[in-house]
Amino acid sequence: NAGVMQNPRHLVRRRGQEARLRCSPMKGHSHVYWYRQLPEEGLKFMVYLQKENIIDESGMPKERFSAEFPKEGPSILRIQQVVRGDSAAYFCASSPAGYNNSPLHFGNGTRLTVT
Amino acid sequence: KQEVTQIPAALSVPEGENLVLNCSFTDSAIYNLQWFRQDPGKGLTSLLLIQSSQREQTSGRLNASLDKSSGRSTLYIAASQPGDSATYLCAVRPLNNNAGNMLTFGGGTRLMVKP
Repeated sequence: NAGVMQNPRHLVRRRGQEARLRCSPMKGHSHVYWYRQLPEEGLKFMVYLQKENIIDESGMPKERFSAEFPKEGPSILRIQQVVRGDSAAYFCASSPAGYNNSPLHFGNGTRLTVT
Repeated sequence: KQEVTQIPAALSVPEGENLVLNCSFTDSAIYNLQWFRQDPGKGLTSLLLIQSSQREQTSGRLNASLDKSSGRSTLYIAASQPGDSATYLCAVRPLNNNAGNMLTFGGGTRLMVKP
């Protein structure tokens, strides 16, 4: 049973380009969460999605950032017109549906470097 | 707004020592608390999850306690080994039903166990 899969592991973009980060949740999980970890800082919540729905995007910057979790395929975090301050590790986590005590399972992250 | 603080930020101990990592949170309305381990350049591995109704959880050499009323949790590592060197993160899940498995993280404790 594969865990949470994120790709790419490393992504280098020049300022102004677009970054697309992908996350495939664990099998059977329908809830996806994106977190960002800036250098030397803790993880900060960005967005919580269920299939075809954004449940909470309170931690995501209002501009340039968007996320989706389509009916088929992985969840995508998209950053348009990247700037140097977007350089960070972006982690995806998943959990099953239902309000339960299951732990959150994290992927290995995508490390974005903006040059 | 929930805030999670971890003390100390960094800790260096000789192999074999027992040690305690501290986590405090400002809002006691939590559903559960999780301790994670993060190795450099890697994702997060869930170590222990304590439900709000529980006082402690144990797994091997690890023991986590929770005092919800005072907003504190500790992670006790017995007989530390060099392989325990990593960053340890605590995170709380809110009681709010609509929040899913959204977690608020502390800044982490960077542990180095010297041989």
